[in-house]
Amino acid sequence: AQSVTQLDSQVPVFEEAPVELRCNYSSSVSVYLFWYVQYPNQGLQLLLKYLSGSTLVESINGFEAEFNKSQTSFHLRKPSVHISDTAEYFCAVTNNYGQNFVFGPGTRLSVLP
Amino acid sequence: SAVISQKPSRDICQRGTSLTIQCQVDSQVTMMFWYRQQPGQSLTLIATANQGSEATYESGFVIDKFPISRPNLTFSTLTVSNMSPEDSSIYLCSVLPPDGVGYTFGSGTRLTVV
Repeated sequence: AQSVTQLDSQVPVFEEAPVELRCNYSSSVSVYLFWYVQYPNQGLQLLLKYLSGSTLVESINGFEAEFNKSQTSFHLRKPSVHISDTAEYFCAVTNNYGQNFVFGPGTRLSVLP
Repeated sequence: SAVISQKPSRDICQRGTSLTIQCQVDSQVTMMFWYRQQPGQSLTLIATANQGSEATYESGFVIDKFPISRPNLTFSTLTVSNMSPEDSSIYLCSVLPPDGVGYTFGSGTRLTVV
């Protein structure tokens, strides 16, 4: 069975500061990793994903995440956050595209002016 | 990626009643999924809706409480039956795109049971 841990339930950060949202997973087999974002009162949107190849993946809005197999981590980072990045961020893992999709508990990012 | 329309977007319902949530996708998809997000929590898979067969329910969810219909490859409904305040949650429909890479979610239905 797989599991996902997001150690930080809430992360407050000032605008233009860097941020890292941590995600660790456990799995006995190869995994595919995802980050989803949920803006206030909205559904979930896929932010970025790791399937294979380069361990560093990027999104169109400046976020990046690095797959670290030895540390079983997939931390999400952004060098300079904006007020509009305030949202809930969910890390997710699956060992099969369509099955056994497990979400972490989420991290609430609050960007302060 | 697929575009999902989900309605209603929110509703306030009396306990003991039922609510049917609709999910419409702009393309044909094999599997559709229904998730629940309880207040302040992450997502939990309720069931997988398969076209032409009964839905597959996850542990802790039963058909009598959450009946699902899947009449075609672009549409599904989830009914929350005999509601209680504990059913107050966001219910999300999701699909896998044709390349099978990462779920696409609807905007969700925010249900409050009073």
